[in-house]
Amino acid sequence: QVQLVQSGAEVKKPGASVKVSCKASGYTFTSYDINWVRQATGQGLEWMGWMNPNSGNTGYAQKFQGRVTMTRNTSISTAYMELSSLRSEDTAVYYCARDISGSARFDYWGQGTLVTVSS
Amino acid sequence: DIQMTQSPSSLSASVGDRVTITCQASQDISNYLNWYQQKPGKAPKLLIYDASNLETGVPSRFSGSGSGTDFTFTISSLQPEDIATYYCQQYDNLPHTFGQGTRLEIK
Repeated sequence: QVQLVQSGAEVKKPGASVKVSCKASGYTFTSYDINWVRQATGQGLEWMGWMNPNSGNTGYAQKFQGRVTMTRNTSISTAYMELSSLRSEDTAVYYCARDISGSARFDYWGQGTLVTVSS
Repeated sequence: DIQMTQSPSSLSASVGDRVTITCQASQDISNYLNWYQQKPGKAPKLLIYDASNLETGVPSRFSGSGSGTDFTFTISSLQPEDIATYYCQQYDNLPHTFGQGTRLEIK
């Protein structure tokens, strides 16, 4: 069965970076884009960007341009999202999601990774 | 960025009620709209894609309609397990913006 399993919770200081992983199983990792969505506590969903695991091509929301990097390691079917220059407003649960169609049809999601930014 | 505005922000309904949520885009997005359900502490779940197509395995009491700028999501007969927050999302343009969510409660 398809699964996306994310790395565990992180606590970071302002100005630091965080790298969240998303390990895929149950399907061919390189066949579908991986997207990242975040959600601050009690708030709505915010789309961050996408990555094509086959080509490595990426697209980021302008809000995160220059601070976010999405990469992958195809040998271990894992996608990564690294966010730098962290500030308190980046405290959120970060989700990876598989796009089954290339049109933001996110059919499988990771369990979420809580990133807390605090001094 | 395309703004997605959902209405209402919250609503309370009784089991068996017909529930309708609307989503308005700030510009024409054709039918490039998805609906997600999110229960507390869980990842979102895709219910409707391309404005009106039911995702595999999703109960038929859920439906979606609309095109252009105005969209509707309907639960034909509310069940207790439908208590959640519902989000629309456009994918016509990057970034793939979400609506602010509609919190659904049982009366």
